[in-house]
Amino acid sequence: DQQVKQNSPSLSVQEGRISILNCDYTNSMFDYFLWYKKYPAEGPTFLISISSIKDKNEDGRFTVFLNKSAKHLSLHIVPSQPGDSAVYFCAASRRYQKVTFGTGTKLQVIP
Amino acid sequence: EPEVTQTPSHQVTQMGQEVILRCVPISNHLYFYWYRQILGQKVEFLVSFYNNEISEKSEIFDDQFSVERPDGSNFTLKIRSTKLEDSAMYFCASNFRDRAQSSGANVLTFGAGSRLTVL
Repeated sequence: DQQVKQNSPSLSVQEGRISILNCDYTNSMFDYFLWYKKYPAEGPTFLISISSIKDKNEDGRFTVFLNKSAKHLSLHIVPSQPGDSAVYFCAASRRYQKVTFGTGTKLQVIP
Repeated sequence: EPEVTQTPSHQVTQMGQEVILRCVPISNHLYFYWYRQILGQKVEFLVSFYNNEISEKSEIFDDQFSVERPDGSNFTLKIRSTKLEDSAMYFCASNFRDRAQSSGANVLTFGAGSRLTVL
């Protein structure tokens, strides 16, 4: 039951360029979408979220876009930095319910 | 910054043995969770816990699993008779939902995880 899917297991980007990580979901009842970042030997760390009533949320270098009709969201990182190299998990939930995660995309930012 | 603490960081056990994984959530958080990640796979929800009882659980969380908050600080996951397929990284998480309501999203704070290896 893969309600949240990240089809790209990995992504390499040059430092300073834009990183775009994609995510698709199947459950139209999700109210919130989140991105988490995970470094090796650490737990996932919350990065940014978006409500289903919005189509864009921005926080510094990170912007999340939501396309509800396509059931698709993306995370843009501009400009990408070597410290951004990590595994990025897309996640979704209904209000007050469990958070469902995707399989993750490993981002490598090349100096 | 407050953090969720998990112990042990790594446990190796024989199949059929009981394992207890421990977590100390952030002190003013009210909701507690266990997730697991089998190597190379997604982070999977196991169970959520609020007000001293399970509020939601997944189909993975069968009778082999139990959770407990034995005192005011610890939150434990017990696996009664471990199987090879229980080998995974287990993450504890917590949150304080009311504070999250500025965005409405259920933002969890995760611990660093406990790696369980079943031989």
